Amino acid sequence: GQNIDQPTEMTATEGAIVQINCTYQTSGFNGLFWYQQHAGEAPTFLSYNVLDGLEEKGRFSSFLSRSKGYSYLLLKELQMKDSASYLCAAVPSGGSYIPTFGRGTSLIVHP
Amino acid sequence: GAVVSQHPSWVICKSGTSVKIECRSLDFQATTMFWYRQFPKQSLMLMATSNEGSKATYEQGVEKDKFLINHASLTLSTLTVTSAHPEDSSFYICSARGERGSSYEQYFGPGTRLTVT
Repeated sequence: GQNIDQPTEMTATEGAIVQINCTYQTSGFNGLFWYQQHAGEAPTFLSYNVLDGLEEKGRFSSFLSRSKGYSYLLLKELQMKDSASYLCAAVPSGGSYIPTFGRGTSLIVHP
Repeated sequence: GAVVSQHPSWVICKSGTSVKIECRSLDFQATTMFWYRQFPKQSLMLMATSNEGSKATYEQGVEKDKFLINHASLTLSTLTVTSAHPEDSSFYICSARGERGSSYEQYFGPGTRLTVT
C-alpha cells in the first residue's frame, strides 16, 4: 500500500516564500506529482518529479529525494491567488501509473 | 494543454433517483479515465479506473452496482449514481489519460458537485 503525509494547513504572507513538504511510503515508486486545487475546482498539474533534485518552473519549484521518501513544493513571491490546496501524489511502479493522493495542504496567503 | 470537460457542473437530486455525470476529453483520445470522489477538506479518493471498451476496475469499498461506469468511446466516460442517498453528496471529478502528453499525466475535468436531498 501507499501512505502520503503532508501538513493540513499553512499560512504565509504575500511576497514571501513557502515550502510545503510531503513524505511518502510506497511499496514501489515511480514519481511524485504536485497539483494545485482552488476551492470548488479540479486539480491542475504543477509538476512531476522522477529523479532526485530540484526542478524549477517560474515561481514554483519541486524537489524530490527518493532515498528519503520526501518531496517539497517551493512557492516564491507569493501572490494572493496562490491561496489554494496543494496535493502531492505518489505514482507506483509497475506500469499502472495510478497516483495515490495525499489529503492536501491548504495554503492561505494574507496581505 | 489537454482539456477535459464534465457535465453537469452541479446537480441537485432527490433521494432514490439516479444521476448521470459525463466526462469528455475534448482534444485528445483518452484510453484511460479515472473517477474520483472528494469530500470537503479531504483528499481525492479514486473510485474506479475505466479503459475504453472494457469494464471498469473499481477500488475496494466502491459498489459497482451503485456507481455505474461506462467508457463507450475514447472521448467519453459516464458515471451514473443509482438510487442516490444524501451520503452520496460529494464532489465528483474525472480525469483522463491518453495519447496526449506522457503516459503518466492525468488531465482533470472541472468536477461535478452532487447534492442529494
